[in-house]
Amino acid sequence: ETGVTQTPRHLVMGMTNKKSLKCEQHLGHNAMYWYKQSAKKPLELMFVYNFKEQTENNSVPSRFSPECPNSSHLFLHLHTLQPEDSALYLCASTRNTEAFFGQGTRLTVV
Amino acid sequence: KNQVEQSPQSLIILEGKNCTLQCNYTVSPFSNLRWYKQDTGRGPVSLTIMTFSENTKSNGRYTATLDADTKQSSLHITASQLSDSASYICVVSAWAGGGADGLTFGKGTHLIIQP
Repeated sequence: ETGVTQTPRHLVMGMTNKKSLKCEQHLGHNAMYWYKQSAKKPLELMFVYNFKEQTENNSVPSRFSPECPNSSHLFLHLHTLQPEDSALYLCASTRNTEAFFGQGTRLTVV
Repeated sequence: KNQVEQSPQSLIILEGKNCTLQCNYTVSPFSNLRWYKQDTGRGPVSLTIMTFSENTKSNGRYTATLDADTKQSSLHITASQLSDSASYICVVSAWAGGGADGLTFGKGTHLIIQP
């Protein structure tokens, strides 16, 4: 276990649904991230939060909406997704350039 | 543009055999290089970290090498076990204040160990 917990582990949603992914860490890290991992592609950085403030939005469509209420929790709110958004969504926190990843949420959009 | 290229894309070997995975990078300015292991459906976990001054580092049956001049790294797995079946991702960090936003990920090598 890395100390970063993601829920749910699997999610199937229709294109008109609204759902949220949750990430939690109690490692004392102040930076948290959302990554998208599609098949046969490298990890793609989506959002970066430092001390609860969003410091980077990597040109992510507005149907993905992050929320960081405190330095231990990170959410990714999803609405009106497309089938091509199906992927493994990974949350990470960092210490000294080492990323600690959660186990990911396998998202399938139908 | 910072890039990390890994080879081979996939590899199948018999249990007990050795194998070597390659990573070439064009990340600048270089800070460190890590190899991560990602089991299917799980998040990546760091195996080793290599800094500019380090040439070789071992972690059990895993040995990583770094040639900072040619910008190449390798991960050698000795006496492979079925549990080594996973994707191995090379990640290079640039000096940008640290943090995962300064990381460049390779696409990974998918390793399958057959009994």
